Amino acid sequence: GQNIDQPTEMTATEGAIVQINCTYQTSGFNGLFWYQQHAGEAPTFLSYNVLDGLEEKGRFSSFLSRSKGYSYLLLKELQMKDSASYLCAVADSNYQLIWGAGTKLIIKP
Amino acid sequence: DAMVIQNPRYQVTQFGKPVTLSCSQTLNHNVMYWYQQKSSQAPKLLFHYYDKDFNNEADTPDNFQSRRPNTSFCFLDIRSPGLGDAAMYLCATSRDQGGSDEQFFGPGTRLTVL
Repeated sequence: GQNIDQPTEMTATEGAIVQINCTYQTSGFNGLFWYQQHAGEAPTFLSYNVLDGLEEKGRFSSFLSRSKGYSYLLLKELQMKDSASYLCAVADSNYQLIWGAGTKLIIKP
Repeated sequence: DAMVIQNPRYQVTQFGKPVTLSCSQTLNHNVMYWYQQKSSQAPKLLFHYYDKDFNNEADTPDNFQSRRPNTSFCFLDIRSPGLGDAAMYLCATSRDQGGSDEQFFGPGTRLTVL
């Protein structure tokens, strides 16, 4: 079966750095997405990785290792507004997105 | 601004009373999706359209149907809502179905079944 695993919840301090991990097992791979979802709102796109390595976009970076079936989202200089769920999703061989359940990130002052 | 619009934002219906949720997009994207998302769970794909080609996920209940009368609009019909159908319903679009084509989401419709 197809599976995306990510921690259910993480807590971090304002101004700190946090890394949210995602491991996946899918039938085929056509890229990995990270989305941010604030409570009661729709997901918004953060990043896309299809090749191994690190993609940096401002305070957010995303890393991919295809051989390990592993990705992480790195958030730097955390702000209170970063409190949200972060969803990992993988495009499989049919380009269908397989979604993780999301990691709820709680930022404390 | 180009966007994905969903109406209504909040929908309350009675057990067994049909309900229709609507979605429109000004992005001129080829693909439209309907997801169901329950609290703290992954979005669950119900249907998607590539242009007018309809794709029904294998485990989508028969109680759910969809229509895409034109490129801009898509509807989700729930014929006989049950208590288990209470959820957030998300409409999304993507330019194409390539791996790098990100999905753009509407604000969602939160459905309550009484």
